[in-house]
Amino acid sequence: DAMVIQNPRYQVTQFGKPVTLSCSQTLNHNVMYWYQQKSSQAPKLLFHYYDKDFNNEADTPDNFQSRRPNTSFCFLDIRSPGLGDAAMYLCATSRGGTGADTQYFGPGTRLTVL
Amino acid sequence: GQNIDQPTEMTATEGAIVQINCTYQTSGFNGLFWYQQHAGEAPTFLSYNVLDGLEEKGRFSSFLSRSKGYSYLLLKELQMKDSASYLCAVFDSNYQLIWGAGTKLIIKP
Repeated sequence: DAMVIQNPRYQVTQFGKPVTLSCSQTLNHNVMYWYQQKSSQAPKLLFHYYDKDFNNEADTPDNFQSRRPNTSFCFLDIRSPGLGDAAMYLCATSRGGTGADTQYFGPGTRLTVL
Repeated sequence: GQNIDQPTEMTATEGAIVQINCTYQTSGFNGLFWYQQHAGEAPTFLSYNVLDGLEEKGRFSSFLSRSKGYSYLLLKELQMKDSASYLCAVFDSNYQLIWGAGTKLIIKP
């Protein structure tokens, strides 16, 4: 089945220790998104790639970086995690055609910062 | 600013019907999505409305009124597995997806 895969599902890191979350997709979608979601809150878009074009949201902290080495993979790097970065991180993809575009989500990675 | 309002929490009984409302104020409108999100899991797509009216899909239906900036998700014949959060999201004029905080639906036997 075509899908969006995230690894790991649960990640524990220490305050200030860099961490990388990964996302892969078999949908061959052009667009990949990274969201941060805290408990009982709306998902917050951090950035997205349209093919290789990177689009950063204005309020995304510099502590968060992303890489998309090819169509299938996208990574979220948190350079120096703080306690406030503990959250669920959701990867999503969309086809990227003109007009409204349904986003399909991976299972998420729950990040704990000790 | 752009805003999506949904009730924080609702409770319903197994087998019953529940309506979850969503109102939005956005800069333009290019469609409204409903997603279901079980606790600790990712959102899954339920429906997309861009024209006024009711879209029915099995036990779930979604309604849109663009003039009122209003949508609802109707769930019939509720099952325990329907306990989840339901998120409303709107595409604005720039196709930016604006998310609501979600409505936590609790189903009681």
